[in-house]
Amino acid sequence: SQQGEEDPQALSIQEGENATMNCSYKTSINNLQWYRQNSGRGLVHLILIRSNEREKHSGRLRVTLDTSKKSSSLLITASRAADTASYFCATDATGTYKYIFGTGTRLKVLA
Amino acid sequence: DAGITQSPRHKVTETGTPVTLRCHQTENHRYMYWYRQDPGHGLRLIHYSYGVKDTDKGEVSDGYSVSRSKTEDFLLTLESATSSQTSVYFCAIRGGEGLPGFFGPGTRLTVL
Repeated sequence: SQQGEEDPQALSIQEGENATMNCSYKTSINNLQWYRQNSGRGLVHLILIRSNEREKHSGRLRVTLDTSKKSSSLLITASRAADTASYFCATDATGTYKYIFGTGTRLKVLA
Repeated sequence: DAGITQSPRHKVTETGTPVTLRCHQTENHRYMYWYRQDPGHGLRLIHYSYGVKDTDKGEVSDGYSVSRSKTEDFLLTLESATSSQTSVYFCAIRGGEGLPGFFGPGTRLTVL
């Protein structure tokens, strides 16, 4: 399977704390994207990082990419109860049109 | 929302019956994808399309076929539904590589 993996599978933190989740993938990629999914809904795009970038920020989100380790991390700072959701990484594998998602991390932020 | 709809939204069917799910977009995006989502597996790619009549298999394509006869519609067919195909099916569209994907609301399919 080309599917990436994310860890942890589940994460529970207090409001105001930072949340870090990791994504590992298997093939050479052109870019990596992170998505959020609220329960029972479709996925919503959060941020994209290209293979020649190492770090990217968007509001309270910080993404890093290490292509040598085939891994990425998503940091959500000062988390809020509204951040409770599942988070997925997705990759564009080099040389294909496939768009592959990881297994996801379920984040619960306690008020 | 990005102008992507899925129909039906819910369906209950019996083992052995054919089922067709429809994904419709109004964005004129080139790429369209079908995924299934199951607990513990995240989203798994079933089939995808990179243009009209251009389709290819994803990771879990056995038992599924697709067709794309026009830009706006991408159909997923289960030729003979099985209970293992009970899942939530999501369609996604993208304008191109490196661009964000937009997801439909999902179709919950139950095969009895």
